[in-house]
Amino acid sequence: AQTVTQSQPEMSVQEAETVTLSCTYDTSESDYYLFWYKQPPSRQMILVIRQEAYKQQNATENRFSVNFQKAAKSFSLKISDSQLGDAAMYFCAYRSGNAGGTSYGKLTFGQGTILTVHP
Amino acid sequence: NAGVTQTPKFQVLKTGQSMTLQCAQDMNHNSMYWYRQDPGMGLRLIYYSASEGTTDKGEVPNGYNVSRLNKREFSLRLESAAPSQTSVYFCASSESLSGGYEQYFGPGTRLTVT
Repeated sequence: AQTVTQSQPEMSVQEAETVTLSCTYDTSESDYYLFWYKQPPSRQMILVIRQEAYKQQNATENRFSVNFQKAAKSFSLKISDSQLGDAAMYFCAYRSGNAGGTSYGKLTFGQGTILTVHP
Repeated sequence: NAGVTQTPKFQVLKTGQSMTLQCAQDMNHNSMYWYRQDPGMGLRLIYYSASEGTTDKGEVPNGYNVSRLNKREFSLRLESAAPSQTSVYFCASSESLSGGYEQYFGPGTRLTVT
């Protein structure tokens, strides 16, 4: 079974600075997808960014980018020019792309990292 | 566009009581999911439905049942609530099980069992 580990329970950053959230995962599959979700105090789960394992290029979405290291099974999220609205719990998640496998389609989440942004 | 809606938003139950959490999506998605979120553990999959008429167990199915009523609706039932089921419950939907499709989440239901 796949596992996702976020080793930083809490992180903090000054407004306008850059912060990196860490995520590692364990899988024997070659076809999979990785996600970062944001959960603000409202509880709503919001997709921040997605990475397909078969793509070597790191995904970017405006101020959010990832460092995908497939061999190391590492998937970190970098937030540039941090804003007060970025304060939230961030979850890393894994989704199998193996259509014949028992884990197909299911999201496996890490434990989450609480990000605080200081003005 | 409402997306994924869940009712109720909050619920308090006594041990042994039953209840059904309702979920509906208006995006014409084929696949739907139920997760629970506990402190320090992230979200864990309870049950999912790949398509209308099918349901399958996820990581933590014990104590729950589900019904895929139609393409839009996917309900989660607690037959005899236990304090260990105190959690926040999320429903989600996606175009299909394929990883390339985003899962859209509802606002969650906070359930307390005393």
